[in-house]
Amino acid sequence: DAGVTQSPTHLIKTRGQHVTLRCSPISGHKSVSWYQQVLGQGPQFIFQYYEKEERGRGNFPDRFSARQFPNYSSELNVNALLLGDSALYLCASSLSTSTDTQYFGPGTRLTVL
Amino acid sequence: QKEVEQNSGPLSVPEGAIASLNCTYSDRVSQSFFWYRQYSGKSPELIMSIYSNGDKEDGRFTAQLNKASQYVSLLIRDSQPSDSATYLCAVILGNQGGKLIFGQGTELSVKP
Repeated sequence: DAGVTQSPTHLIKTRGQHVTLRCSPISGHKSVSWYQQVLGQGPQFIFQYYEKEERGRGNFPDRFSARQFPNYSSELNVNALLLGDSALYLCASSLSTSTDTQYFGPGTRLTVL
Repeated sequence: QKEVEQNSGPLSVPEGAIASLNCTYSDRVSQSFFWYRQYSGKSPELIMSIYSNGDKEDGRFTAQLNKASQYVSLLIRDSQPSDSATYLCAVILGNQGGKLIFGQGTELSVKP
């Protein structure tokens, strides 16, 4: 079975632009979580979705939004990009929420110039 | 106090030695604990999950959990140069659903 997939792999944007990142979970997994990882730090939780509903939100500004589709894939949107948004964006897939193990995709490397 | 703390390292061990990685967490109610390995420029890869006090072994890896001391560790036996990576401890705190809280990671270097 395919693992978690993310697109695009790399992305370069300029300040003020918006970006959409995409994620497809492992087949049979209904929950998707998004994390941001800046260089030298552990990933930081942004959102979790389960059955198309937001189940958790981290300490990120309203410029960050996400949604989950009926096929359980997900999009992360970031508006009005700042230099500090440059990071590796990780999508994680799990069967459901709570204590289930999360499996990470390859990530999208976003560079904001 | 950070919610999940790890020694930042780098930790350097010779090939064949035991590498010991440590992690402490702040919330006594936490139920789920994970170790991920991350190679430079790659995404985190799950090594092991542990939910109960005691040891859990998987090949060369052993996770140890002590909820009373709020401490979780990872031992790597017979360390290989290919084990050189950053090891991330992650905890689901209390009743915060599926929100993983990560430590800052410990960089491990295994010298041939």
